Amino acid sequence: ETGVTQTPRHLVMGMTNKKSLKCEQHLGHNAMYWYKQSAKKPLELMFVYSLEERVENNSVPSRFSPECPNSSHLFLHLHTLQPEDSALYLCASSLGQTDPQETQYFGPGTRLLVL
Amino acid sequence: KNQVEQSPQSLIILEGKNCTLQCNYTVSPFSNLRWYKQDTGRGPVSLTIMTFSENTKSNGRYTATLDADTKQSSLHITASQLSDSASYICVVNRGSTLGRLYFGRGTQLTVWP
Repeated sequence: ETGVTQTPRHLVMGMTNKKSLKCEQHLGHNAMYWYKQSAKKPLELMFVYSLEERVENNSVPSRFSPECPNSSHLFLHLHTLQPEDSALYLCASSLGQTDPQETQYFGPGTRLLVL
Repeated sequence: KNQVEQSPQSLIILEGKNCTLQCNYTVSPFSNLRWYKQDTGRGPVSLTIMTFSENTKSNGRYTATLDADTKQSSLHITASQLSDSASYICVVNRGSTLGRLYFGRGTQLTVWP
């Protein structure tokens, strides 16, 4: 395994629910990422955190709210989602700016279905 | 516009056969190109990475090539196995900003016995 874990692995929620996705990395990395992967589409970068500071917010709707309490943990809080938000949500981590090749290690993802 | 295009979209081959997947990109500037393998229900795993000065890189039965002049890359899989069935994603890094990666849609490879 890559050292990046995500929970839950599967999630079904209604449009009025509030839920959170959790990511944890055990690699000593400084940067963490949230991606959305929809069928037949490239991975879409949502958020980037470097040393617990958000450095990228890729025009993501406010119904997605990230939280990075420390360099090992990353959360994605979800509320009032839409059916088109159904996708695989991937978390990744990397060494950050100290790695010129920016090798990202991905978690297994959370498969989200919004009804 | 910075883009990464992969072909074919899907591919079916028989076990033991070879195959080649293509990646064309328009991303600029260029720092490196990486091929990822993504098994169903899993996150992507890096197979190879090439910088501007490298034109080939091998990882077991996987061999990647890069032509930085024509902005093309290929991933050749030799003597395919059932476990090679996965999506193969080409990713180009501009290198200028953390997280600035450009992903292709992937090629879905199915290996039949």
